Amino acid sequence: GEDVEQSLFLSVREGDSSVINCTYTDSSSTYLYWYKQEPGAGLQLLTYIFSNMDMKQDQRLTVLLNKKDKHLSLRIADTQTGDSAIYFCAESPSWGGTSYGKLTFGQGTILTVHP
Amino acid sequence: DAGVIQSPRHEVTEMGQEVTLRCKPISGHDYLFWYRQTMMRGLELLIYFNNNVPIDDSGMPEDRFSAKMPNASFSTLKIQPSEPRDSAVYFCASKRTGGNYTFGSGTRLTVV
Repeated sequence: GEDVEQSLFLSVREGDSSVINCTYTDSSSTYLYWYKQEPGAGLQLLTYIFSNMDMKQDQRLTVLLNKKDKHLSLRIADTQTGDSAIYFCAESPSWGGTSYGKLTFGQGTILTVHP
Repeated sequence: DAGVIQSPRHEVTEMGQEVTLRCKPISGHDYLFWYRQTMMRGLELLIYFNNNVPIDDSGMPEDRFSAKMPNASFSTLKIQPSEPRDSAVYFCASKRTGGNYTFGSGTRLTVV
């Protein structure tokens, strides 16, 4: 079955870039997502990428996908204290380029941004 | 669009009591998911429905847990009897085929 792994902690200084890493095991075509969870809150979708893409950029966020190594990363440029949160990597299966079915999450990476 | 609506936001109950969590998905979404979040196990899928039909309930911990989706706009997750180890945040999410997953704000359940 699907398995998603993340490193648990990341600490950066305000203004630096943050890079959060994730590996997944599903070998079929898949959608890969990054969610943000602030304390006591729900899950906010940040961005997603389809497995036939290598990169996606959205303002301060850059997603890189290495399909060969099944490695996904999220880079946050100019990290701010408001970016402190838990970041989850997740994947869902797809059929004909359409996502369906369940979302499988990694354990989450706790990002701490120091002033 | 009001998003996915869950109720209650917080629930404190005594061990042995029945607990019912509720979810209203986004109109037009044909998938509904129930997840549980704990420190030890992270985010686990409990069950999901497609067009109101349960598709995968392999994550439901045991017979004490049951979920229903009587129509496209409502789902419940029931725990009977509740135990302290059921304490967690329970999230409901919905999506339409080909769309993104939208999560509710969650129900924080504490069983004492």
